Amino acid sequence: NAGVMQNPRHLVRRRGQEARLRCSPMKGHSHVYWYRQLPEEGLKFMVYLQKENIIDESGMPKERFSAEFPKEGPSILRIQQVVRGDSAAYFCASSPGGQVITEAFFGQGTRLTVV
Amino acid sequence: GIQVEQSPPDLILQEGANSTLRCNFSDSVNNLQWFHQNPWGQLINLFYIPSGTKQNGRLSATTVATERYSLLYISSSQTTDSGVYFCAVKRGSTLGRLYFGRGTQLTVWP
Repeated sequence: NAGVMQNPRHLVRRRGQEARLRCSPMKGHSHVYWYRQLPEEGLKFMVYLQKENIIDESGMPKERFSAEFPKEGPSILRIQQVVRGDSAAYFCASSPGGQVITEAFFGQGTRLTVV
Repeated sequence: GIQVEQSPPDLILQEGANSTLRCNFSDSVNNLQWFHQNPWGQLINLFYIPSGTKQNGRLSATTVATERYSLLYISSSQTTDSGVYFCAVKRGSTLGRLYFGRGTQLTVWP
């Protein structure tokens, strides 16, 4: 039973480029959450998605950041025109359903470095 | 949102020692999880414990939901226990998002 899969594990981008982070949820899970971890801090919620639907994006910066979870394929977190402050670890978690209170499982994260 | 406070922020132990990590939260919750982030950055699920007590080997956890705190006990520490321990909580009205504390950085020396 494969866990939450994220790729790439490490991503280096120059300022102004685009970063695309991918997350495949656990088998049978249809809900995906993205979190960001800045150095020496806890994880901060960014966005919660269901297949083809954004449920809660209250933690997403208003500009340059977007997320999707298409009917087929992984969830994508996209950061356009990256800046140095976007350097962080980005984690994805999945769960079977939003109304079911269940344990969340996280992927290994993508470490984004903006140079 | 919910405030989650963890203590102590840093803990240094000799191998074999026991320790207690605490997590206080500011509102009623319906989910609480403890995670270990290892030195490679990976988040490992330790406990899913919205209430009660659970044990897994040298680790155990207790959540007293009515008093809004949880404790993580580590007995006979090993160097592989080093890393950051996070507490995260979820409230029913928050559509599934977890609120994390800032973590306890544990260093175990041989």
